[in-house]
Amino acid sequence: DVKVTQSSRYLVKRTGEKVFLECVQDMDHENMFWYRQDPGLGLRLIYFSYDVKMKEKGDIPEGYSVSREKKERFSLILESASTNQTSMYLCASSARAGNTIYFGEGSWLTVV
Amino acid sequence: GNSVTQMEGPVTLSEEAFLTINCTYTATGYPSLFWYVQYPGEGLQLLLKATKADDKGSNKGFEATYRKETTSFHLEKGSVQVSDSAVYFCALSPIYNQGGKLIFGQGTELSVKP
Repeated sequence: DVKVTQSSRYLVKRTGEKVFLECVQDMDHENMFWYRQDPGLGLRLIYFSYDVKMKEKGDIPEGYSVSREKKERFSLILESASTNQTSMYLCASSARAGNTIYFGEGSWLTVV
Repeated sequence: GNSVTQMEGPVTLSEEAFLTINCTYTATGYPSLFWYVQYPGEGLQLLLKATKADDKGSNKGFEATYRKETTSFHLEKGSVQVSDSAVYFCALSPIYNQGGKLIFGQGTELSVKP
C-alpha cells in the first residue's frame, strides 16, 4: 500500500515561530502536494511539486514556502507563523497527472 | 476556470436510507472526476473515480456516474450505514494538469443515525 507519512499529527506553536511540517512518501511518486483544510472551505492547494527541486505555487501560497530536496520528501515551511495559519495541513502524492492522489493523515497546527 | 461545487451539509440520514450528494463542476474538456472520503480524525481516502464521460465509478456500495451533459458527478448509495458517517469531497483533475493537482469542492458532512 502507498504510504504518505506526516511527521507530526498535532503541533502548537507561538506567533512568529518558524514551523516545519515534514512529509515522506514511499512509492517513488513524482508529484507531491500540500493542502490546507478549513471548515466550509474544503481543501485549498498551497504548493505542489512535480519533480525534485521543482515547486509551483497553488491557490494560497502566501506565508508559506516548500522544499523538495529528495524525491520522497516534501516539506512545508511557515516562515513566521500567524494565528490565521491555524488549520489542518494535508500532504499528498501521486504518480502522474490524472492519477490517484494519496493523502497522509494530516497535521493539526495551532498557532497561539 | 476550473471549479467544483457540492451540496452543503451537514446531511443527516437514518440507517438504511438512500443517499445522494450532489456535485457539479466547471472545467475545459473532459477532466477526471473523483470522490474522496474523510473519516473523523483521518486524512482523505479515494472512494471512487471516473475518467471519461458516462463512466460509472463504484466502491463499497457507493456509485457516481460522469455526466458530461449536466457536468455532474453525484454520489449515491442505496442503503447507508452508521459507519458511512464522514466528510465526502468531490474533486476534479483538469486535462492540462502539470503536477497532477486536484481541485476540491468544499466537502459535505454526512451523519448517519442508528
